[in-house]
Amino acid sequence: EPEVTQTPSHQVTQMGQEVILRCVPISNHLYFYWYRQILGQKVEFLVSFYNNEISEKSEIFDDQFSVERPDGSNFTLKIRSTKLEDSAMYFCATHRGRNQPQHFGDGTRLSIL
Amino acid sequence: ILNVEQSPQSLHVQEGDSTNFTCSFPSSNFYALHWYRWETAKSPEALFVMTLNGDEKKKGRISATLNTKEGYSYLYIKGSQPEDSATYLCAFIKVGTSGSRLTFGEGTQLTVNP
Repeated sequence: EPEVTQTPSHQVTQMGQEVILRCVPISNHLYFYWYRQILGQKVEFLVSFYNNEISEKSEIFDDQFSVERPDGSNFTLKIRSTKLEDSAMYFCATHRGRNQPQHFGDGTRLSIL
Repeated sequence: ILNVEQSPQSLHVQEGDSTNFTCSFPSSNFYALHWYRWETAKSPEALFVMTLNGDEKKKGRISATLNTKEGYSYLYIKGSQPEDSATYLCAFIKVGTSGSRLTFGEGTQLTVNP
């Protein structure tokens, strides 16, 4: 069965550095999302992306965050200047249509030192 | 702020027991309710997408019901097995979102002892 793949599985970065998290969606999926889970907290929505543009973003998704689909396959989340509180597990999810379940990647564990 | 609550937070049962847990969500502006199963070190896996009041869905020994008027969904596992041990997440989608933004509960962590 096709899978959503995320790289890297673990990223350790100094505070203030830029990070790019990568996701390869399932090929016929049209809707893409980033979620994150800070340790001990709920999984929370960051951003949704459809038709090559952001369709919705949460209050967490400030100017430090950006998403793009640079080559039609990878879907990336960039954090420009990381903070300690950005340490979390970041999940990419994709699906075909609004009433379809979302398919999640295995996540990237981001640790900011 | 949408509030999606799950109870209990954790549950320990013996192999063969049947169990159920609850997800409560806002009853207004309902669009859909998702259930996911999340095993440690893996990705969340979709169980059900529920959209209609009174919906009942079943997948093997796992089933779910939906009451959108009062804002709750139950997940049932019949004859629990050790491989059912996981965190079960529900997630709510509100009418008016342009995509399908999921708002998650905290999850119910199920441990099935052999």
